Amino acid sequence: DTGVSQDPRHKITKRGQNVTFRCDPISEHNRLYWYRQTLGQGPEFLTYFQNEAQLEKSRLLSDRFSAERPKGSFSTLEIQRTEQGDSAMYLCASSSETVGAGRETQYFGPGTRLLVL
Amino acid sequence: AQKVTQAQTEISVVEKEDVTLDCVYETRDTTYYLFWYKQPPSGELVFLIRRNSFDEQNEISGRYSWNFQKSTSSFNFTITASQVVDSAVYFCALSEAGTGANNLFFGTGTRLTVIP
Repeated sequence: DTGVSQDPRHKITKRGQNVTFRCDPISEHNRLYWYRQTLGQGPEFLTYFQNEAQLEKSRLLSDRFSAERPKGSFSTLEIQRTEQGDSAMYLCASSSETVGAGRETQYFGPGTRLLVL
Repeated sequence: AQKVTQAQTEISVVEKEDVTLDCVYETRDTTYYLFWYKQPPSGELVFLIRRNSFDEQNEISGRYSWNFQKSTSSFNFTITASQVVDSAVYFCALSEAGTGANNLFFGTGTRLTVIP
């Protein structure tokens, strides 16, 4: 059983550069989430897709951030003009909507650790 | 507004001791879901349990047990006979059904260190 995968696992970049992260969800899952986790904190929600539609965005997701899920499978998260404050772990999660089952469980990937110098 | 509080920042125990991790939540929804995740040093969040607000039965899974009490808005997690492999950061999280939002609200986590 293949879990959620993320690439790259680590990224070091210079301030002002653009970076893109990829997430591959569990194959049968139609929902995909992005979270950000800074040191010593719990993950914070960024955005959520159901299939290819982006249904929710947190106010944490500034204009420099954009996420896509073009075919309802993998997703990318791009950060433009990175700032030192963007340094964090970026986590992806996926879940499968089951009608009538209430809030489903989100399964997380290993994360991409970003360091902006 | 929703909130999850994990007041214990760090806990250290000696192997084979029992340990309880506290979680207190706030929500205005009558239907909500509570979760516990484990984050080992590798960084990946590992799902442990999900509980809905209508099910107050306590649950036991091996050395793990969970105590859900709506009266005190708490969802505590106990590890019995702790082992070194239990060392990790543990997060409690809340998801509200009424708002339609699908995201999880996490506490700040409790770092558990089990000393051999």
